[in-house]
Amino acid sequence: GAGVSQSPSNKVTEKGKDVELRCDPISGHTALYWYRQSLGQGPEFLIYFQGTGAADDSGLPNDRFFAVRPEGSVSTLKIQRTQQEDSAVYLCAGRAGLRTQYFGPGTRLTVL
Amino acid sequence: QQPVQSPQAVILREGEDAVINCSSSKALYSVHWYRQKHGEAPVFLMILLKGGEQKGHEKISASFNEKKQQSSLYLTASQLSYSGTYFCGTEWFRDDMRFGAGTRLTVKP
Repeated sequence: GAGVSQSPSNKVTEKGKDVELRCDPISGHTALYWYRQSLGQGPEFLIYFQGTGAADDSGLPNDRFFAVRPEGSVSTLKIQRTQQEDSAVYLCAGRAGLRTQYFGPGTRLTVL
Repeated sequence: QQPVQSPQAVILREGEDAVINCSSSKALYSVHWYRQKHGEAPVFLMILLKGGEQKGHEKISASFNEKKQQSSLYLTASQLSYSGTYFCGTEWFRDDMRFGAGTRLTVKP
């Protein structure tokens, strides 16, 4: 596609429910990043994929969070048993080589 | 370990200049600068690789001091459209990107 797409754009869920957030990067962007951004803060690193494998998942806050990228393109971030503190905008970004990251529009997650 | 940005916020009048700083506690491989407007994704401004280079983008330029492990973003003759939050993203080795907390820039007429 022409840019990075994310879906859904907004997600409202109840505490304790599971959610899945999708990222579709620009074709050819072998590296894919997930970030979480709270109001007034910078993007907080969660996980980074190089191809299909997670090269660095040190930013995942706990074992309720995990992400996959089975075919090296689309990625899904899964949050189990959501908590109110999980509410944030979740951004994904793709990258090719040494170039900069291109961000998607984000998914705004609200946990009630 | 995320980079440290300063100042946290800046208010300017149109035509004034500003400098935003980004410091790291570790040797840097590269620095990336982004601008984010409210409710939108961060938009890339420029990337600087280690070597002390300086780059420009319209009236926005940046420098990278490898020895001091810091980068500065220079906005000259600011325009209303420059308003937003500026983030630096730093890499200590390739692909290990971390972002600062941001500098909120407001340009008033």
